Amino acid sequence: AQKVTQAQTEISVVEKEDVTLDCVYETRDTTYYLFWYKQPPSGELVFLIRRNSFDEQNEISGRYSWNFQKSTSSFNFTITASQVVDSAVYFCALSEDEETSGSRLTFGEGTQLTVNP
Amino acid sequence: GAVVSQHPSWVICKSGTSVKIECRSLDFQATTMFWYRQFPKQSLMLMATSNEGSKATYEQGVEKDKFLINHASLTLSTLTVTSAHPEDSSFYICSGGASGGPLQETQYFGPGTRLLVL
Repeated sequence: AQKVTQAQTEISVVEKEDVTLDCVYETRDTTYYLFWYKQPPSGELVFLIRRNSFDEQNEISGRYSWNFQKSTSSFNFTITASQVVDSAVYFCALSEDEETSGSRLTFGEGTQLTVNP
Repeated sequence: GAVVSQHPSWVICKSGTSVKIECRSLDFQATTMFWYRQFPKQSLMLMATSNEGSKATYEQGVEKDKFLINHASLTLSTLTVTSAHPEDSSFYICSGGASGGPLQETQYFGPGTRLLVL
């Protein structure tokens, strides 16, 4: 069975600080996808990134970066120079079946990030 | 691209009534749609998976006769909460997945529907 663990329930930082959100996953499959979604107070989930299990390159998108390490089954997310607008709940998710479109996702419990001015 | 809408965004109803929630993929064909439920300060819990033109697959513990799902077209899925009770009050979120192309293997989520049953 697949499982996603986000050990950090809540994180509070001051604006401009860097912050890393941890995600550890468990799966028996060799082929899988990892995701990060952002859920602001409005409730809508915003897709941030998808990474397949064969691509371990780290990715940077503006102030966001992701560190995928298969050896430790981790897919951590770093926000550089955080801003108040980054305040939200962030979910890490895992999908195992690459051949099925829109495969079912297993979500972590989420990390509530609060960025204070 | 990959926009999903939900209607209504808010609904308040009396206990015992039925509520229908619509989920539409606006700019892509969603061959698979998913329905989630999220209670306050909790993660998303998958309720059911539906493929266009076939019966939905429900997760363990989800009553299929209470949560009716219809996926009649590639752009529309509906969730009907029948005989709603206060414990059904929650945030219901749908998502759509597409086959082929750059949207494959990613779920795109609707804005959610907040249901309050009095």
